[in-house]
Amino acid sequence: QKEVEQDPGPLSVPEGAIVSLNCTYSNSAFQYFMWYRQYSRKGPELLMYTYSSGNKEDGRFTAQVDKSSKYISLFIRDSQPSDSATYLCAMTTDSWGKLQFGAGTQVVVTP
Amino acid sequence: GAVVSQHPSRVICKSGTSVKIECRSLDFQATTMFWYRQFPKQSLMLMATSNEGSKATYEQGVEKDKFLINHASLTLSTLTVTSAHPEDSSFYICSARARGSNTEAFFGQGTRLTVV
Repeated sequence: QKEVEQDPGPLSVPEGAIVSLNCTYSNSAFQYFMWYRQYSRKGPELLMYTYSSGNKEDGRFTAQVDKSSKYISLFIRDSQPSDSATYLCAMTTDSWGKLQFGAGTQVVVTP
Repeated sequence: GAVVSQHPSRVICKSGTSVKIECRSLDFQATTMFWYRQFPKQSLMLMATSNEGSKATYEQGVEKDKFLINHASLTLSTLTVTSAHPEDSSFYICSARARGSNTEAFFGQGTRLTVV
């Protein structure tokens, strides 16, 4: 079993819809959770960084962490075609130490 | 955010040759650098962690004699794939972070290596 599970998609949504992404994990020691956006053949770009359980909102992005269920989510409101990318979840036990990534979910926002 | 530059972005080499990939932190001193490998539709897998002036720490299953990592300065780390084979073809990405317990690790643009 992988430490971090993420549905690879693709996930196709119409412009303006809410994109819902999630990851599950098995290691209860993970404390820090990130979401990255990766365009084709580019390096990942950090979108959200959260510590422990709870919600965090930044513009159109909302990250949720439920440590009791070992489940994290990312929501993108009012999705735009420019949001089309692969979204990777990542997590670590110690701040910015060794990151464990999910496989990434490909998102396609259609005009 | 801080800028991490990775070069080259794409490289094609013949089987049996060696390839060097550079990772530079342009506007901060990177005391720690990470090297990842990403196969199509798979997650980034950490290969090794290097701290400036120290030998790299390799993850289980990564051959240190095949993937040579040098982190000789606070702004440059290199990954050399020695005696490359087609199965080494992959997307290699570095990330770098400055000193401190809570400093973000920034990613380079990645290098697409194709071994023919």
